[in-house]
Amino acid sequence: ETGVTQTPRHLVMGMTNKKSLKCEQHLGHNAMYWYKQSAKKPLELMFVYNFKEQTENNSVPSRFSPECPNSSHLFLHLHTLQPEDSALYLCASSRFPGTSGGATPEQYFGPGTRLTVT
Amino acid sequence: AQTVTQSQPEMSVQEAETVTLSCTYDTSESDYYLFWYKQPPSRQMILVIRQEAYKQQNATENRFSVNFQKAAKSFSLKISDSQLGDAAMYFCAYRSAETSGSRLTFGEGTQLTVNP
Repeated sequence: ETGVTQTPRHLVMGMTNKKSLKCEQHLGHNAMYWYKQSAKKPLELMFVYNFKEQTENNSVPSRFSPECPNSSHLFLHLHTLQPEDSALYLCASSRFPGTSGGATPEQYFGPGTRLTVT
Repeated sequence: AQTVTQSQPEMSVQEAETVTLSCTYDTSESDYYLFWYKQPPSRQMILVIRQEAYKQQNATENRFSVNFQKAAKSFSLKISDSQLGDAAMYFCAYRSAETSGSRLTFGEGTQLTVNP
């Protein structure tokens, strides 16, 4: 149990569908992240949220829309995806630098959502 | 920008033996963190070990230890007494300690096979 959960674990969707990925962290962290992991490629950072505010968008196409309603929850809304968007999507959390309790530099990951776009 | 390179796409080791995974990185910063993460077939990314750049002493976690060479920008992972459960993809990662950001930069990964 890592304290970071993701649902669903597997998702198959058509290019015209709209779906959402959910991430929840139970570690009291205040920073959350979305990563994309494609075959044969390093993990790619997509978005960073600190205290619910987006602090980084790594040139991600607008068909991916993140939402962070509070420090414990993070969503990734998907619409009109392409087959090349098929990948493992990983959520992570950490304590952001400068916050009380000390910054833990490591990130803790959820189990991921395996997304297939048909 | 920082880069992380893992030059060994695949490695194998006999059970109970020792194996070393290589990682090099490029940065102009003096204060940073380095990590090794393990990703088994379950795809769960698990933190193995962490090293702070300002510490000269190499980090150790049970059977896992690192050889941190700051001048050479090298950060290798040694796994002693390898077990079947160590089989996984291993990723080296870098994080700056100097900026307010918390971005992790990952290497390409090394697939470790443990032979019984």
